[in-house]
Amino acid sequence: GQQVMQIPQYQHVQEGEDFTTYCNSSTTLSNIQWYKQRPGGHPVFLIQLVKSGEVKKQKRLTFQFGEAKKNSSLHITATQTTDVGTYFCAAVVRFNNAGNMLTFGGGTRLMVKP
Amino acid sequence: SQTIHQWPATLVQPVGSPLSLECTVEGTSNPNLYWYRQAAGRGLQLLFYSIGIDQISSEVPQNLSASRPQDRQFILSSKKLLLSDSGFYLCAWSAGSYNSPLHFGNGTRLTVT
Repeated sequence: GQQVMQIPQYQHVQEGEDFTTYCNSSTTLSNIQWYKQRPGGHPVFLIQLVKSGEVKKQKRLTFQFGEAKKNSSLHITATQTTDVGTYFCAAVVRFNNAGNMLTFGGGTRLMVKP
Repeated sequence: SQTIHQWPATLVQPVGSPLSLECTVEGTSNPNLYWYRQAAGRGLQLLFYSIGIDQISSEVPQNLSASRPQDRQFILSSKKLLLSDSGFYLCAWSAGSYNSPLHFGNGTRLTVT
């Protein structure tokens, strides 16, 4: 079935370094969502991208949606220890009357060394 | 504002025992409801989703079942747990539109021994 692939699976960075996680699909996506899960916690919705080439920023976080709407990225500038967690992308790959059938990428676990 | 409650937070159950996890949502009507499972260090696997009372769809064949006896109540059950059922179970809700984000509960960490 259709999948949403996310890389890398893990990333260790030194505090202050930048971090990027990538999400790819073989088919065009209607939209893409990003979630953050802190260690021991639950995923929390960060943002949604809908338009081709869209770029959105939340403080040090920059989210991009590819021109072809098949890929997306999350970039964190100057990581802090509070950024630790797993970042998931999620996309609606199948829609029916049941609502948004989100498929999640495998997640990128970010670890930040102080 | 909308809130989602999920309990218990942790659970240790022996193999072969039954399971019942409950999730309730407040502050919204007719939400879409979901059960996800997350194995340790892994991604999110959709187990069940529901668009209304007694309307349940299963994504993955397994020995689990789900029920929605009330509009804002979603229950995950098993008659006999397997070791492989261990994991982090997350309930979530969303509004009805296709691009609505998911709002997760705090999760239940289930260990089957």
